[in-house]
Amino acid sequence: ETGVTQTPRHLVMGMTNKKSLKCEQHLGHNAMYWYKQSAKKPLELMFVYNFKEQTENNSVPSRFSPECPNSSHLFLHLHTLQPEDSALYLCASSSSLGGGAFFGQGTRLTVV
Amino acid sequence: KQEVTQIPAALSVPEGENLVLNCSFTDSAIYNLQWFRQDPGKGLTSLLLIQSSQREQTSGRLNASLDKSSGRSTLYIAASQPGDSATYLCAVSQPTDSWGKFQFGAGTQVVVTP
Repeated sequence: ETGVTQTPRHLVMGMTNKKSLKCEQHLGHNAMYWYKQSAKKPLELMFVYNFKEQTENNSVPSRFSPECPNSSHLFLHLHTLQPEDSALYLCASSSSLGGGAFFGQGTRLTVV
Repeated sequence: KQEVTQIPAALSVPEGENLVLNCSFTDSAIYNLQWFRQDPGKGLTSLLLIQSSQREQTSGRLNASLDKSSGRSTLYIAASQPGDSATYLCAVSQPTDSWGKFQFGAGTQVVVTP
């Protein structure tokens, strides 16, 4: 148990579907992140939220829409995805007091 | 832009040998450096965090050093075991960034054979 929980663990969706990924952290952190991990590529930062406010969007296509209703929850809404969006999506959290980042177990997304 | 490189990309050692994993970064003005372990298809598990003012961190069989001036960090795993087989990732953050905004290396895939 890392303190960061992601659901679902696996997701298969068609290109016309709409789905959402959920992340919840129980660590009292103020910052939350979405990262994308594709095969044979380094992790890519997608979005950063700090105290519920989006502080970074790393040129992510609009078919990915993040939502952060509070410091403990983070969502990634998906619509009209492409097969190349298939990847492992990782959520992380951190604190302004330091201590580094803590990651969830990820959601394996397959777009068919 | 910060670039993080990990060498080698893959490593296979017999059980009992010490592991040495290397990480280099291009911008020495880092806030901290964190080493992670990732098992296939799983998330990242934090191993060690080194603040920019520190030169090393130790936890059990793991020791990580940091040399900011040369832009390098090394992760040592003593007396390797088959359970150490995984991909090891290093990541750095910059002082102007939030504390979990990391630039990652591509990782070193480690196999420890019995």
